[in-house]
Amino acid sequence: NAGVTQTPKFQVLKTGQSMTLQCAQDMNHEYMSWYRQDPGMGLRLIHYSVGAGITDQGEVPNGYNVSRSTTEDFPLRLLSAAPSQTSVYFCASSYLDSTNSPLHFGNGTRLTVT
Amino acid sequence: AQSVTQLDSQVPVFEEAPVELRCNYSSSVSVYLFWYVQYPNQGLQLLLKYLSGSTLVKGINGFEAEFNKSQTSFHLRKPSVHISDTAEYFCAVWSGSSNTGKLIFGQGTTLQVKP
Repeated sequence: NAGVTQTPKFQVLKTGQSMTLQCAQDMNHEYMSWYRQDPGMGLRLIHYSVGAGITDQGEVPNGYNVSRSTTEDFPLRLLSAAPSQTSVYFCASSYLDSTNSPLHFGNGTRLTVT
Repeated sequence: AQSVTQLDSQVPVFEEAPVELRCNYSSSVSVYLFWYVQYPNQGLQLLLKYLSGSTLVKGINGFEAEFNKSQTSFHLRKPSVHISDTAEYFCAVWSGSSNTGKLIFGQGTTLQVKP
């Protein structure tokens, strides 16, 4: 089982560039989410989804877009990158009752915006 | 909205000593609480969770946590730590319904175990 796969592992962008962080899971999880991790701030929720075609905003959604066209994939799009988006990004998934089903995390994407 | 506060950003401790990592949560009628661990350059994995029932929850790797409703706390403890426990630990609370809510994390506590 691959679990939660994030690509790329590392990325450097210039201000204003766009890119998509990929997240795929092979566990048939309905629930998927994106977090960013910054020193001293823990993990902050960007967007989440409870199934294909359904997405919702988290704590820090500005500057990010998501869509969920399939159960397996949940890409995160940066339309115009800013230095404030330099961070480590984690994708996580679980079965729909997330209180009983632990979140499975990917290994992260380290993004630097110059 | 639900939230958690981790009271210590770093906790240094010697090997084989006991440790407590502190977490307070915002008061609510019902609350689901979690502790996750992140080893260097990895994603997070679940240590333990409190949903209901016994206030003392046991997790993996010898960790346990106690849910204290009157003090709105969910502190993580281990009676004797190992070097391999060096990691960042996150307290988290579930906000919303079990099927449509979201997991909100605290700021994290870095546990540094010294030989």
